[in-house]
Amino acid sequence: SQELEQSPQSLIVQEGKNLTINCTSSKTLYGLYWYKQKYGEGLIFLMMLQKGGEEKSHEKITAKLDEKKQQSSLHITASQPSHAGIYLCGAEGSSGTYKYIFGTGTRLKVLA
Amino acid sequence: NAGVMQNPRHLVRRRGQEARLRCSPMKGHSHVYWYRQLPEEGLKFMVYLQKENIIDESGMPKERFSAEFPKEGPSILRIQQVVRGDSAAYFCASSTTGQSQPQHFGDGTRLSIL
Repeated sequence: SQELEQSPQSLIVQEGKNLTINCTSSKTLYGLYWYKQKYGEGLIFLMMLQKGGEEKSHEKITAKLDEKKQQSSLHITASQPSHAGIYLCGAEGSSGTYKYIFGTGTRLKVLA
Repeated sequence: NAGVMQNPRHLVRRRGQEARLRCSPMKGHSHVYWYRQLPEEGLKFMVYLQKENIIDESGMPKERFSAEFPKEGPSILRIQQVVRGDSAAYFCASSTTGQSQPQHFGDGTRLSIL
């Protein structure tokens, strides 16, 4: 079965610093979704990547999909305390499937 | 609020009781998914439903768990005769179609079993 591994598992950065979170799949990636979860709350959809080499940005967050490496990265520029939370990557198991497989998450803390 | 609505947010049950979790999808979404998040574990798929149909329940335990999405009203995840191991956060998500569209999640129901 497919697995998603996220790294690092946790991250503490000073406000204003850049950071990168990686998500590596054990199998081919057909669709990759990034979510943010605050403790005790639901998942907020951030971005969807579907094609190799695709890159999307929203405000200070950029996500890329490297199909060959079966990997996606999430980059935050000039981090702020509001970026703190758990970042989860989710993937479709095979082309078009609805059964998302999730990584165990990266806990981000931003120090003011 | 046009988002996915789940209730209750917190539910406490004693062993052997029944738990009913409700989910109203986003407006315009007809596909509903349930996931379970155990402490210190990732989200795991449980079941996928469309109106009046269960499409895939392969992630749901064979006993005590059931799900429905009636023609009218919210989707219901039902757990009978709850045990301590059922304690978890249960999330509902919805989407416009069943493939290659982002699923939007509710805030979850935190189930605690005494």
